[in-house]
Amino acid sequence: DTAVSQTPKYLVTQMGNDKSIKCEQNLGHDTMYWYKQDSKKFLKIMFSYNNKELIINETVPNRFSPKSPDKAHLNLHINSLELGDSAVYFCASSQRDRGGDTQYFGPGTRLTVL
Amino acid sequence: AQTVTQSQPEMSVQEAETVTLSCTYDTSESDYYLFWYKQPPSRQMILVIRQEAYKQQNATENRFSVNFQKAAKSFSLKISDSQLGDAAMYFCAYRRGYGGATNKLIFGTGTLLAVQP
Repeated sequence: DTAVSQTPKYLVTQMGNDKSIKCEQNLGHDTMYWYKQDSKKFLKIMFSYNNKELIINETVPNRFSPKSPDKAHLNLHINSLELGDSAVYFCASSQRDRGGDTQYFGPGTRLTVL
Repeated sequence: AQTVTQSQPEMSVQEAETVTLSCTYDTSESDYYLFWYKQPPSRQMILVIRQEAYKQQNATENRFSVNFQKAAKSFSLKISDSQLGDAAMYFCAYRRGYGGATNKLIFGTGTLLAVQP
């Protein structure tokens, strides 16, 4: 009965590879997000989708491409991975007009690029 | 642009004592929300408490309460009767009110809380 789940939880890969992280929420929310937490623990928004429509696209390299096949899923694909992409990536979800639009987070995916 | 500042990188408290974590923010908006999230070593981000800017009453959740000073743009978190399980990184976060692409959370840099037995 996990609310927001992410796969995988850990991802170790070589520079130059392409990888994907998947996120699913069973809360019935209409908005989903990707945040990046760097090595200093700083959290910053990357993308947000509302009902499959991209509504936030922060200054993120083109190598990062989010995709939302439906409002319960939001995936993050990263091309040509670089050392600086190593971080923890969090998915979150919320429902507009409910509970102050509080965001609930997944467990995070720790990406290590070697 | 909105910013959130947590001036205490680390704090320590004795078990059963009370501790207050500080947070200040900068915004020109009048409609917004403030949050405290807890991140234990498991790295899961857990919502601790939420405050609506239009509410004058300070939010409370069991042992956790906030001191929201809107004019001073201050939003501190008080943890009473501290427990070992409270040891974690605590993040203060701000979100604008509704409308457009405004739902992003803006986080502070976090305060690492240690609880001493």
